[in-house]
Amino acid sequence: ELKVEQNPLFLSMQEGKNYTIYCNYSTTSDRLYWYRQDPGKSLESLFVLLSNGAVKQEGRLMASLDTKARLSTLHITAAVHDLSATYFCAVDTGTASKLTFGTGTRLQVTL
Amino acid sequence: ETGVTQSPTHLIKTRGQQVTLRCSSQSGHNTVSWYQQALGQGPQFIFQYYREEENGRGNFPPRFSGLQFPNYSSELNVNALELDDSALYLCASRRAQNSGYGYTFGSGTRLTVV
Repeated sequence: ELKVEQNPLFLSMQEGKNYTIYCNYSTTSDRLYWYRQDPGKSLESLFVLLSNGAVKQEGRLMASLDTKARLSTLHITAAVHDLSATYFCAVDTGTASKLTFGTGTRLQVTL
Repeated sequence: ETGVTQSPTHLIKTRGQQVTLRCSSQSGHNTVSWYQQALGQGPQFIFQYYREEENGRGNFPPRFSGLQFPNYSSELNVNALELDDSALYLCASRRAQNSGYGYTFGSGTRLTVV
C-alpha cells in the first residue's frame, strides 16, 4: 500500500525566513501534486510535477521532484504571513488516477 | 472555465439517514473523483468515475456509492450514516484519465452526522 509522509507536521516560522517541507512516498510514481488548504476551505492547486527533476516556482514557493529518491520538496523563501495554511503533497500512481495524500504540514508564519 | 461546484455547502444529518451530495464539474472534465477529509487529516480517496463508469475505489464500504452523468455532474450517496462519516467531502475533476493535467477541487460539502 502506498504511503505518503510529510515532515514536519507543524511548522512555525518567522516572516522573512526560509524553510523546506519534505514529502516522501513509498512506491514508484512520476506525478506529484502540491496543494494548499486554508482552514475550512477546499484545496488549491499549487504545483503539478510530472517527471524526475521537475522544478516549478511560483512567487515564494518552489517545488521539486526526485522520483529516484521518491522525494518531493516544497521550499519557502522569505516567508510572509499570507503563506500560513496547511500544505499537502499528493501522489498519483496512475491506478485509476487515485491521489494518495500526505499527512499535511500546517505552516504558521509569525510576524 | 466555470470551476467545480458542490452542493450543499453544509449539511446536518441524523445517524442512520441517507445523504446525496452533488458536484458539477468543468466542461470537458470526464474524470471525477470523490474524497473524504476528516478533521485534521488529509483527504482519503473514495472512488473515481470516468465516462460514467466507476473505475477505482478506495477503502470505503458499499454504502458509499456514486453516479456520474453525461453533463459532467456527479453524485455521492451515503446510506446508513454513521457518526464517523462526519467530514468534508470533496469532489475533484480533470480533463482526462492518466493525463498530465492536475485536478480541480470543488469547495466541498461539510457533512455533520449527529
